[in-house]
Formats: sequence, structure tokens, C-alpha cells
Amino acid sequence: GENVEQHPSTLSVQEGDSAVIKCTYSDSASNYFPWYKQELGKRPQLIIDIRSNVGEKKDQRIAVTLNKTAKHFSLHITETQPEDSAVYFCAAPYRRDKLVFGAGTILRVKS
Amino acid sequence: DGGITQSPKYLFRKEGQNVTLSCEQNLNHDAMYWYRQDPGQGLRLIYYSQIVNDFQKGDIAEGYSVSREKKESFPLTVTSAQKNPTAFYLCASSRQGSNTEAFFGQGTRLTVV
Repeated sequence: GENVEQHPSTLSVQEGDSAVIKCTYSDSASNYFPWYKQELGKRPQLIIDIRSNVGEKKDQRIAVTLNKTAKHFSLHITETQPEDSAVYFCAAPYRRDKLVFGAGTILRVKS
Repeated sequence: DGGITQSPKYLFRKEGQNVTLSCEQNLNHDAMYWYRQDPGQGLRLIYYSQIVNDFQKGDIAEGYSVSREKKESFPLTVTSAQKNPTAFYLCASSRQGSNTEAFFGQGTRLTVV
């Protein structure tokens, strides 16, 4: 079925440490994998995305890696800061036109 | 100012009443989506539409209805058949299908009283 599994559901890290969130998807035809950040009381916003023709993409302190064979992709945040505290969602298309989201990860960065 | 707008921000409904949530975008996007957000359950897809006059059920469509008469508008009706309607509802649009960035509205918090 159309499933995107996301782990962990909550993640606490010390400021300056790294955080990793992982997602698996079910549709082998999926070719676009975005990550969204939702701060408290705000709308989700895209922070990084990757297409299936590359294995890794970086943007300053955040990076996304993709393993198409295993059907999983991960978000990596380095040198975490308190403002990184938010809910993070991964997503993947299912049968081209449905955008399915993971259940979300609550990231808490402790200073 | 381009973007996607949901209204109202807060909505209260009595049990047994239908209510319609508005979603308008001026981004010229083809695709539009409605999600429901509950604590610990992420974003669950209610309905989606790839083109005008066409839409499909998502994973939790029961008790909801939509229309897509105009490219800019994708209103969601929460009917009395929806057993647990209290939730945060998010509308999103994307330029072309699910392979492009989705832009979200600010959400509508619906409370049944």
C-alpha cells in the first residue's frame, strides 16, 4: 500500500550534535523525496528535497541521502541549534499523483 | 502577494452541521491537496485534485467532500457524517503533481462544540 514510515517519532539532541531522521517508502516508482519543517503553530515548509537521480544533496547544515534499492531516505542535520526544534515530515509520491507524508518527528534541541 | 490562503483560521461547529473550509491559491498551480493533522499522526490525505473538475479520494475521505470548479479554489466540506471532525486542516498546492514542492496554507483549526 501507499506507506511512508518515519522514525523516530521524537528525537532529543544536545545543541551542536547531529540529528538523523529516517523514512522508508513503498512505491518503487517514486522519484521525488521532500522534507518539510513545521514550527509550532505554523505551516509546513520545504527545507530540502532530492530526486532519484542523485544519492545525496546538501544545503549548509542539512543533507538528505537516498537509497533507492532499499527504498529509504534520511535527513541529516549537523551542528544543531535551538531554532532547529520543530516537527519534521518526510514525503513521497505514490502512483505519481498522491503525496503521502510520514507521521512526523518531533526534534528537540537542548541548549 | 502570491500564495495559498485558507480561511477561516479558527472554526467552531455544532454537532450535526456541515461546514466548508476555504482554500484559494494564486500560484497557478495545477495540483491541490487537503490534509488533516492530528497529534502524533502526521499529515493524512483527505482529497486531492490534479486538474480542474477532477479530484480523487485520499486515505481518509469518509465524511468529507470537495469540489474543483476553478483552478484557484479547492473548498473542503466537513459533513455531519464525519465522526471525529475536530482537527487541524491544511490545504496545499503544487505546480504539477506530487513531484514538485507543495506549498501549504496556514491551516484551519476546526472544533466541534
